[in-house]
Amino acid sequence: QSALTQPASVSGSPGQSITISCTGTSSDVGSYNLVSWYQQHPGKAPKLMIYEGSKRPSGVSNRFSGSKSGNTASLTISGLQAEDEADYYCCSYATGNTFVFGPGTKVTVL
Amino acid sequence: QVQLQESGPGLVKPSETLSLTCTVSGGSVRSGAYYWSWIRQPPGKGLEWIGYIYHSGSTNYNLSLKSRVSISIDTSKNQFSLKLRSVTAADTAVYYCARDRDTGGYFDFWGQGNLVTVSS
Repeated sequence: QSALTQPASVSGSPGQSITISCTGTSSDVGSYNLVSWYQQHPGKAPKLMIYEGSKRPSGVSNRFSGSKSGNTASLTISGLQAEDEADYYCCSYATGNTFVFGPGTKVTVL
Repeated sequence: QVQLQESGPGLVKPSETLSLTCTVSGGSVRSGAYYWSWIRQPPGKGLEWIGYIYHSGSTNYNLSLKSRVSISIDTSKNQFSLKLRSVTAADTAVYYCARDRDTGGYFDFWGQGNLVTVSS
């Protein structure tokens, strides 16, 4: 159960779009359309932002979108806002009915 | 609205057993639509899935922790619990309980987290 790969940090100016990648293997991201993304502000519990690769839970802004190609999933934040500054984690269902997380990406709004 | 709340000691001595309980309100652990997971986060680091339990008592664990972890469920109290044996400083973390949709593989509700420090 190796961790997924994410960039350590991504930054953008207000109003811009940014994309965070999440690379796994054929044992997780590549085999299942079950990637989820979580937003975590300092000292808070993670919050579900995207599930099943591209679906948004009720209440999550449509500025957040997800996609997948092969072994890599992506989270795009459009119209970047100050409140989007946080850590973002991807998670994939994996072989053996397990879960694997990425190391997290710190998003900075310049 | 479903709420989860972790409870347990904030300090555990090395080589002892870490024990935490998650109390669920606004929903039932008996529901067949969900699994109930434990996830941890060492200070300043990322998230690590520990394992889950189903209402039937069926469990699955992270291979890296499997030899030391056990998760149980008490449907009468609407709770599930975590035990991690032979802890070391590396087990110091915020421990979260979370609900996992059985068909979607995602965690839609989380507890607020319980910081457990392993130290003598």
